[in-house]
Amino acid sequence: EAGVAQSPRYKIIEKRQSVAFWCNPISGHATLYWYQQILGQGPKLLIQFQNNGVVDDSQLPKDRFSAERLKGVDSTLKIQPAKLEDSAVYLCASSPPSQGPQFGPGTRLTVT
Amino acid sequence: GQSLEQPSEVTAVEGAIVQINCTYQTSGFYGLSWYQQHDGGAPTFLSYNALDGLEETGRFSSFLSRSDSYGYLLLQELQMKDSASYFCAVNTNAGKSTFGDGTTLTVKP
Repeated sequence: EAGVAQSPRYKIIEKRQSVAFWCNPISGHATLYWYQQILGQGPKLLIQFQNNGVVDDSQLPKDRFSAERLKGVDSTLKIQPAKLEDSAVYLCASSPPSQGPQFGPGTRLTVT
Repeated sequence: GQSLEQPSEVTAVEGAIVQINCTYQTSGFYGLSWYQQHDGGAPTFLSYNALDGLEETGRFSSFLSRSDSYGYLLLQELQMKDSASYFCAVNTNAGKSTFGDGTTLTVKP
């Protein structure tokens, strides 16, 4: 079974620029998550999709972050404009019902 | 909301046994998961407990007590490659997974 795919793996941008991340979940997994992991901390849930509907986006900074899940499969996470504090690893994960998330390799974002 | 507490650091020697504890507060508790994360890598799933008791997977075991809102991960016959961060995560019946801040395990020769 192929794992969760993410791209790019690394991204360096200047503050106030925009950036987008892409995720392809494990085939058949209805639930897709985006987590933000800051160095030294645990992953923090940004948004959770069930198929193409949003289940939880309570911790998504909606003034600058947006996410969509097209046709209930792939997903993109966008930051516009980026701030220095957005420097982190952005982890996409997916899961079948009643199981915990399985993570992709992550995208390491550096905002300068 | 959800909150989890686990020790920030644990150190042990090769061949030893180490226990990483996790206490949690949440509504709609469904289960407790454990993940391992090496530096520069993504978290990988280790184990899951939905019912009270011990689950064993090779050198790793995980325990849950729902009445005490407590669980632990037990690592036996420690190897150098076990040096990593270990996260507990609560799963709720709404399908949400919330992670603790992780325990950094250092295994020394």
